[in-house]
Amino acid sequence: QSALTQPASVSGSPGQSITISCTGTSSDVGGYNYVSWYQQHPGKAPKLMIYDVSNRPSGISNRFSGSKSGNTASLTISGLQAEDEADYYCSSYTSSSTLFGGGTKLTVL
Amino acid sequence: EVQLVESGGGLVQPGGSLRLSCATSGFTFSTYWMHWVRQAPGKGLVWVSRVNSDGSSTSYADSVKGRFTISRDNAKNTLYLRMNSLRAEDTAVYYCSRGLYKRPGAFDIWGQGTMVTVSS
Repeated sequence: QSALTQPASVSGSPGQSITISCTGTSSDVGGYNYVSWYQQHPGKAPKLMIYDVSNRPSGISNRFSGSKSGNTASLTISGLQAEDEADYYCSSYTSSSTLFGGGTKLTVL
Repeated sequence: EVQLVESGGGLVQPGGSLRLSCATSGFTFSTYWMHWVRQAPGKGLVWVSRVNSDGSSTSYADSVKGRFTISRDNAKNTLYLRMNSLRAEDTAVYYCSRGLYKRPGAFDIWGQGTMVTVSS
């Protein structure tokens, strides 16, 4: 049950787009279309941003989008805003558990 | 309003036990899978355990298997996590979360978390 691999940090300026990758294996990310993404601000609970690779829950801005190719999923945030600065985690369903990535700190410059 | 409220955390000595509770409201608890996810101080999220809607099926992370037990009381709309043989590495904020309806591996509602500290 190894964690999924994410970059430790990414940054971008307001208005720009950034992409966060999430790499797993054929037993998790590559094997199921059940990748989710969460946003977590300091001291707060995580918030679901994307589920089933590319679906947004009600109320989530369309600036957030998800995709997957092989064993790697990606979260793209377009039109960066100051409030997007947070930690982002990917997760993937497996047959026996759910794996999370190590998290990526997004800094809005 | 959908709410999850955890309780039961605290300071416990290595080898000790705790039982966490997660009181829910605002939705039909008995139709949702429920999960526990933890986060050690300054670290990332780690899935701990899940239980299906009627409590008949459970699953655990390898790191807690045999020591933790997840359960639920659908009459009381409450989720539990019994933690035995606690270790220093179990120190974390423990979040109760609701599985997104019929969507495996996604958690759409989270509690505020309860802190568990294992230390002598």
